[in-house]
Amino acid sequence: IVMTQSPVTLSVSPGERVILSCRASRSVSDNLAWYQQKPGQAPRMLIFGASTRAAGIPVRFSGRGSGTEFTLTISSVQSEDFAIYYCQQYNNWPSLTFGGGTKVDIK
Amino acid sequence: QVQLVQSGAEVKKPGASVKVSCKLSGSTFNESPIHWLRQAPGKGPEWMGGFDPDRGETIYAQKFQVSVTMTEDASTNTAYMELQGLRSEDTAIYYCASNDLWSGYFTYWGQGSLVIVSS
Repeated sequence: IVMTQSPVTLSVSPGERVILSCRASRSVSDNLAWYQQKPGQAPRMLIFGASTRAAGIPVRFSGRGSGTEFTLTISSVQSEDFAIYYCQQYNNWPSLTFGGGTKVDIK
Repeated sequence: QVQLVQSGAEVKKPGASVKVSCKLSGSTFNESPIHWLRQAPGKGPEWMGGFDPDRGETIYAQKFQVSVTMTEDASTNTAYMELQGLRSEDTAIYYCASNDLWSGYFTYWGQGSLVIVSS
């Protein structure tokens, strides 16, 4: 299953609402996770099950979707949110695939 | 609290092998099965393989079935990933990762081990 993320780069100002997209080449049901990665760090899981926030993740992060279309929304971008975001499907076990990422940077 | 601590950076010649270690603390391999991923410069993570508790065996991504061996030493709570026949395209950061009870996604990550393949 190929995961395609858009846009590749998103330039936003702090406080703006951001919506990132992830599309699967075929249905992954709701078996989708989102990760945030900052330079020099390992990815950090934000969302699993398409919409369930992981422990300690701020409520400004929310996930939606099922099947082939998914979104990650940051309701009000904070300075610490500028990073690269990846989606990952785990429906097609034992094959796990990630998207190419969306970079959220400062406008 | 689950922690994964990996071995340091390596520089290898083409054709050589590399073995990366990942020490698990705060859990056991049964509770937190270890998987390995890698990330080439400027790319997204790529899953290489890991232990499937339901099948009771290590599953490898098709791409890595011949070149990668993943092992675990329960006595030291340390997992290993060995990649053979290194090529320049294998230059990447290698991560071990896990979750509480295998679910397909990764809550816990090691800090990453940079492997550079260069002549």
